[in-house]
Amino acid sequence: QSALTQPPSASGSPGQSVTISCTGTSSDVGGYNYVSWYQQHPGKAPKLMIYEVSKRPSGVPDRFSGSKSGNTASLTVSGLQAEDEADYYCSSYAGSNKDVVFGGGTKLTVL
Amino acid sequence: QLQLQESGPGLVKPSETLSLTCTVSGGSISSSSYYWGWIRQPPGKGLEWIGSIYYSGSTYYNPSLKSRVTISVDTSKNQFSLKLSSVTAADTAVYYCAREGGEWFGELFAAFDIWGQGTMVTVSS
Repeated sequence: QSALTQPPSASGSPGQSVTISCTGTSSDVGGYNYVSWYQQHPGKAPKLMIYEVSKRPSGVPDRFSGSKSGNTASLTVSGLQAEDEADYYCSSYAGSNKDVVFGGGTKLTVL
Repeated sequence: QLQLQESGPGLVKPSETLSLTCTVSGGSISSSSYYWGWIRQPPGKGLEWIGSIYYSGSTYYNPSLKSRVTISVDTSKNQFSLKLSSVTAADTAVYYCAREGGEWFGELFAAFDIWGQGTMVTVSS
């Protein structure tokens, strides 16, 4: 299994929207609707923001949304706020023995 | 409120075995709804899934680490553990334990919704 591909960085101004992509293959992202997104602030543990492509856990603002098309999943953050500045990681079920593969991470900067 | 806490040595010598334990509090590790996983993050790098275990002892490992990894569970202590053998400097990382959706293709499948704070393990002589 290979890591999913994410852009190393993304940015936007407060109030704007930004979309982060996560590209895999038909063996992971494209083959299953089990893509998750995590937010990680420096020195902190990751926090689940999106699961099953587009579902939000309780407590996650609806400014965060997820989608998927083919082998690429996307996380959109609308109405950017300063506290959204963090690293974001995608992950996907990769079939076989309940394998999970992560993306390399995207550093989101709020300008 | 469910909490996870990693514990173990912060320094391991090359070629030796890294051993960590995750203690689950505020809930039972024997819940049929969840798996329990280990994920690591080398300094300045991304996340890597190591493996997951069910309370019954069923395990799934990252193929790239499978030959060196053993994950076990102790339901009486509400703990699960990680052993990684023959470590090298490349195994230096923050190691996290986390709760994972357990029902195959059910709610939270392949998603980690509760994480421990992480523990830094350095491999060095």
